[in-house]
Order: sequence, then C-alpha cells, then structure tokens
Amino acid sequence: AQSVAQPEDQVNVAEGNPLTVKCTYSVSGNPYLFWYVQYPNRGLQFLLKYITGDNLVKGSYGFEAEFNKSQTSFHLKKPSALVSDSALYFCAVRDTDKLIFGTGTRLQVFP
Amino acid sequence: DAGVIQSPRHEVTEMGQEVTLRCKPISGHNSLFWYRQTMMRGLELLIYFNNNVPIDDSGMPEDRFSAKMPNASFSTLKIQPSEPRDSAVYFCASRGTGRRAGELFFGEGSRLTVL
Repeated sequence: AQSVAQPEDQVNVAEGNPLTVKCTYSVSGNPYLFWYVQYPNRGLQFLLKYITGDNLVKGSYGFEAEFNKSQTSFHLKKPSALVSDSALYFCAVRDTDKLIFGTGTRLQVFP
Repeated sequence: DAGVIQSPRHEVTEMGQEVTLRCKPISGHNSLFWYRQTMMRGLELLIYFNNNVPIDDSGMPEDRFSAKMPNASFSTLKIQPSEPRDSAVYFCASRGTGRRAGELFFGEGSRLTVL
C-alpha cells in the first residue's frame, strides 16, 4: 500500500526565514504526491501536486515542493515565511482512486 | 463556484441518538469522499463513491455508520446509534477533473460532539 510519513509534529520558524516541512513516501510505481494546508476550523486546501515532470513544483501562496526520487522525499518549502503561514500541513499520496494523508505537521511562524 | 457544502457545521447530540451529516459536492465532480479527523487518529478515509456508487467502505468503523449517495449532488453519512467516541470533525470532499484532476476539494467540515 502507498503511504507517506511526516516525521515532524511541529516546525517553528521565524518570520522571513526559509521554511521546510518534510514528507517521505513509500509507493509501488510512480508516485502522485500532494500537499494540503488546513487553517483552524477550516477544511483542507490544495497547495500543490507532483504527477510527473519537473522535480520542483510551484504551488499556491509562494510554496514549492521538491520531488526527490532517490531519497523518496517530497518536502514543502518556502523562501520566506509569513506569520499567516501558520497552519497544519498535510502531505498525501494517491493510492488507486483515493488520497492517503500523512499525520500532519503544525507550522508555527513567529514574528 | 460554491465549493463543497456540508451541513450542519456543528452538531451536539447525546449518546444513542441518530446523526445525519450532509454533503453537496462541486457540480461536475464524479467522486466523493468522506473523511474523519481526530487528534488521536488524524485524517481517516471512511468511504468514497464514484458516479454515486460506493467503491471502498473499508474505512467505515462499524455497522453503526452508513453512507449513501442517491444522486450526483447529494450524499449523507449517518451514525446510528451515536457514541462519544464518534466525536470528530467529518469532512466531505469531491475530486476535480481536467486540469484539476486528482485534487480533492474539501468542505468546511461538520464538527460532531456526542455527549
């Protein structure tokens, strides 16, 4: 079965600094990978996806993710964090017809 | 586009009562998913439908849970009887097509509290 792992429960970063939220995957075949963000008391919102092609994927709100096949990773990045980026971030992998989500990483950006 | 619409947003009920959660997917989306979110278990897929047909209900925790999709624009998730351990946020999502293929569009969730 396909799966993703988010090794960090929480990531703290100062505003203006670069941020990275980690995700590793385990799949058979080609991976379809996604990042979603959840703000308090809201549903999940799509940020970006990797299907095929360039290893660097650009998404919403200035986020990007780098697909690394040799390390089986799909880390989410942003060059300069904003306080408003504070939220819960989920990595997900497509398994046949459905998305399997990681456990989530809480990002806290301090002013 | 109105997005995925869920109701109610909040439900407080007593143990043993029947609970019905409702979902209207985005028009034109052919797949609908029900997820449950708790602190302990994270996001769990309960069941999903393709073209109104249930495809995989292996995530439904017990026979107390049932889901239906009578038409392309409406789905329900029912819990009967409800128990305190069913307290969670229940999300409905529909899957995009075309350029947005594979992406899930989530509703705002229904927060259920069973006393």
